[in-house]
Amino acid sequence: GQQLNQSPQSMFIQEGEDVSMNCTSSSIFNTWLWYKQDPGEGPVLLIALYKAGELTSNGRLTAQFGITRKDSFLNISASIPSDVGIYFCAGQLAASKLTFGTGTRLQVTL
Amino acid sequence: SQTIHQWPATLVQPVGSPLSLECTVEGTSNPNLYWYRQAAGRGLQLLFYSVGIGQISSEVPQNLSASRPQDRQFILSSKKLLLSDSGFYLCAWSPNTEAFFGQGTRLTVV
Repeated sequence: GQQLNQSPQSMFIQEGEDVSMNCTSSSIFNTWLWYKQDPGEGPVLLIALYKAGELTSNGRLTAQFGITRKDSFLNISASIPSDVGIYFCAGQLAASKLTFGTGTRLQVTL
Repeated sequence: SQTIHQWPATLVQPVGSPLSLECTVEGTSNPNLYWYRQAAGRGLQLLFYSVGIGQISSEVPQNLSASRPQDRQFILSSKKLLLSDSGFYLCAWSPNTEAFFGQGTRLTVV
C-alpha cells in the first residue's frame, strides 16, 4: 500500500534543542495528522490539520499543513526526555482510509 | 468518552496455528475500524478497514482476514499462521478523520 515519506528517519538531539521533521507525499490529502508512539504502545494523536496552509500548535508542538496539500511538518521546541519516541504523520484523502508515514525516531540526550 | 480495547496484549503462537485478535470500541456508534500491522522498527501497514457491519476492505493480500460481526467489534483472524505474520498488530477506530489506537498486540509466531 501507499506510504508517506518522512524525514529524517531518526534524530539524536540534546535536551532543550528544537526538532523539525517533515512528511511528503506524491498525492494530495485533505487531512494531515501527527502521532507519537512510545515503545510497545499504540500511537497517540498529537495534532490534526484540516486545511491547506493551516498552522496549529499543541503546547511545544507546532504542525503545518503544506499549501500544496502534499506535505506537512512538525516542530518540537525545547525538547525534553519524554519526547523520545517515534513520530508518525498520516494523511487522509477520502473518508475512512488513513495512510501513515514511515516514522521519525527521536532520541533525546541529557 | 470513547475507549478502545484490544486483546491479548502479547501472544506466542506456533506456525500453522489459527489466530483470533479482538478489538472493541465503547462510547460511540458506527465507527470506522482499522487493523494495522507494524514490523519491528517500521511504519504502520494498513491491513483492513471497515465502515460498517459486515463491510471489510482488504489492503494487502495475505493469509489474514477480518470480520465485523457487530458495530463496535472488529476481529482479525488467520487459519494458519506463518512466521512472517509476527509483528505488532494495532486496532484503531475513527469517527471520520482522526484515528484512535488500541494498545496493540505483540504477536510472535514460532
